[in-house]
Amino acid sequence: AQKVTQAQTEISVVEKEDVTLDCVYETRDTTYYLFWYKQPPSGELVFLIRRNSFDEQNEISGRYSWNFQKSTSSFNFTITASQVVDSAVYFCALSEAAPNSGGSNYKLTFGKGTLLTVNP
Amino acid sequence: EADIYQTPRYLVIGTGKKITLECSQTMGHDKMYWYQQDPGMELHLIHYSYGVNSTEKGDLSSESTVSRIRTEHFPLTLESARPSHTSQYLCASSERGGSGSMDPQETQYFGPGTRLLVL
Repeated sequence: AQKVTQAQTEISVVEKEDVTLDCVYETRDTTYYLFWYKQPPSGELVFLIRRNSFDEQNEISGRYSWNFQKSTSSFNFTITASQVVDSAVYFCALSEAAPNSGGSNYKLTFGKGTLLTVNP
Repeated sequence: EADIYQTPRYLVIGTGKKITLECSQTMGHDKMYWYQQDPGMELHLIHYSYGVNSTEKGDLSSESTVSRIRTEHFPLTLESARPSHTSQYLCASSERGGSGSMDPQETQYFGPGTRLLVL
C-alpha cells in the first residue's frame, strides 16, 4: 500500500525565518507523481506543485523550493523568509493507480498535513 | 487551473434531515472526487467518478451517495444527517495531463469546501 508521512504535525516560526516541511513516501510504482497543496484558514486546497518520479531536479518558485530525493523517498518543501500569509496547513500527496482501473486512473494518497504558523 | 464551485459553503442542519452538497466544475474535467476532512486535518476520499454514470466508493466508508448525470456536476447526498456527519467536505476534479494510459499526470483541483454542522 502506498503511504505518505508528514512527521511534523505542527511547526511555529517567526516571520522571515526559513522553514522546511518534510514529506516521506512509500510506493511500489515505478512511475508516480508527488504533489504539495496549501490549505489556508479559509479551507480550500490550493495546488502548489507536481513532480514526477523521473525528474529529481529541484524546483524553485519565488520563496518556495522543493527538494525531491528518490534515494530517500522524500519530497521536502522549503519556504524562505516566511511571511504571516504562509500560515496554513500543507499537504503532501502521492498519486497511485486506482483499484480495478487497469492503471488508467489514479487517485491521491494524502499525508496528514503539517500546520505551519508564522508569527509576526 | 480548474474553476470548481461548491454550495453551500456553510450548512447547519438538524439530525434526520436530507441534504445535498453541490459541486460543479466548468473545465470539462472527466474525473471528480469527494473528500471528507475531519477536525484533525486528515483528508479521506469518500467517492470518485471517472465520467458520466460512473461512481465509485473511496477509501473511507460513507453513508453518503453521489451521482454523475452530467460531466460538470457531482452532487453528494446524505439521506438522514447525523452529528457524526459533521465535517468539511471538499470536492475536486482532474483531467488526464499527459498522453498514454499509464500517465498519472493528473492534478486535482479543489473547490472551496462545504463546512457541515449537524446538530
